[in-house]
Amino acid sequence: GAGVSQSPSNKVTEKGKDVELRCDPISGHTALYWYRQSLGQGLEFLIYFQGNSAPDKSGLPSDRFSAERTGGSVSTLTIQRTQQEDSAVYLCASSLYRAQPQHFGDGTRLSIL
Amino acid sequence: ELKVEQNPLFLSMQEGKNYTIYCNYSTTSDRLYWYRQDPGKSLESLFVLLSNGAVKQEGRLMASLDTKARLSTLHITAAVHDLSATYFCAVEGNYGGATNKLIFGTGTLLAVQP
Repeated sequence: GAGVSQSPSNKVTEKGKDVELRCDPISGHTALYWYRQSLGQGLEFLIYFQGNSAPDKSGLPSDRFSAERTGGSVSTLTIQRTQQEDSAVYLCASSLYRAQPQHFGDGTRLSIL
Repeated sequence: ELKVEQNPLFLSMQEGKNYTIYCNYSTTSDRLYWYRQDPGKSLESLFVLLSNGAVKQEGRLMASLDTKARLSTLHITAAVHDLSATYFCAVEGNYGGATNKLIFGTGTLLAVQP
């Protein structure tokens, strides 16, 4: 079956622009996570969605970052007024329920010029 | 705050040799995961360890968990080139709470030389 799908796979943009990254989780998975992987910081948790519960936003690095999940499925991570330190690979993961193994997408490689 | 440490960060080994990667974590958690990442690729789940004393094996890889020592090991037996990748351990950062966000170790870059 289909895995976690992320788009775009690569994004290059100028500093100060807004970007939107998309994640399609595995069908039926109720939990969805965003992580960021960068050379300096390794793999970091950003935000978590579970069903209709309020998301856990504790990992978002600044108020320029936001995410939503519509209809309990597709999620969009938005970064406003991008900075060079936002350059990283943004990974999305989903799991069947909260305490189940997480399956990762291929990520979006974001480069800020 | 949960911290996860892996060592070594880089491991160069010859084919046929054995070695162990270590993963230490700082606070109580009974769920530990091992992932593999090939260059430019995403994370592939290898093992989920759910209880103290858990041991899982897949091919030349074996993972174990000691929750009392807060230590997991990933043992490589008779390494082959195809095992070259970066290996991450990850621990749930809010065990028993509302989120099972993963806190990742730094990763171990494994290079198996012919």
